Amino acid sequence: EPEVTQTPSHQVTQMGQEVILRCVPISNHLYFYWYRQILGQKVEFLVSFYNNEISEKSEIFDDQFSVERPDGSNFTLKIRSTKLEDSAMYFCASSQLTGTGNQPQHFGDGTRLSIL
Amino acid sequence: QQPVQSPQAVILREGEDAVINCSSSKALYSVHWYRQKHGEAPVFLMILLKGGEQKGHEKISASFNEKKQQSSLYLTASQLSYSGTYFCGTNEAQLTFGSGTQLTVLP
Repeated sequence: EPEVTQTPSHQVTQMGQEVILRCVPISNHLYFYWYRQILGQKVEFLVSFYNNEISEKSEIFDDQFSVERPDGSNFTLKIRSTKLEDSAMYFCASSQLTGTGNQPQHFGDGTRLSIL
Repeated sequence: QQPVQSPQAVILREGEDAVINCSSSKALYSVHWYRQKHGEAPVFLMILLKGGEQKGHEKISASFNEKKQQSSLYLTASQLSYSGTYFCGTNEAQLTFGSGTQLTVLP
C-alpha cells in the first residue's frame, strides 16, 4: 500500500539554526499538509498546500516557516531560525482530492525535531 | 476552534464497549476519526459527512449528528489492539483535531 514517507526520522538542531524536514507524499495525491505535535499534546494543523501554493495556514505557521515542493515528489517544511519551542513531532500528510473535508488524510511516520 | 472530546481517558477490559464523544461549538460539515498509538503516526479510521450518518470499521462505528454538532465513536467488544489515543477532527478549510481520548484496553 502506498505511504507517505518522511526524512529524517529524528533531527537534532541548535537553536537559531535552519532546519528542513522532507516528505514524499503518496504519488497520486494532490493536497499536502504539515502538522505538529508537541509531546503529550494534540496534533496541530500548520499548513495545507495545493497546486504549488499554500491553501490554508494556521496561526502557528508564522514567518519563520515556509513550505516548498521543489520537484515532482518532495514536499518540504523549512524552519528558518529554530526556537526551543519548535521541538515537536512534525507529521506530513497527503490526501487525494479536495482539502475540504471529505477525503482521508494519510500521515507519514513523522520527524522528531529536537532543538537544543 | 478545536472540537471537545470526552472522556479524556478510558480504561476497559478486553471485550468491553466504549463510547468517545466529540462536539463542536461551530457547525460541522464533516468529522474525521483517527487513532494514534504511542510514538506512531495518526491512522485514519473514518469520515462522516452527513447528519445522522453512521459508518463502521470492523467493530468500530461512529455517528454524526449535525444538529447537535457532535459525533460519537463506538468501540464494540474492544480488543487489545484498540489501545491508543483517538482524535476527532473537524474540517472547514483545515483539519482541526480535538485534544484526544486515551483508550487503554487491558487483558
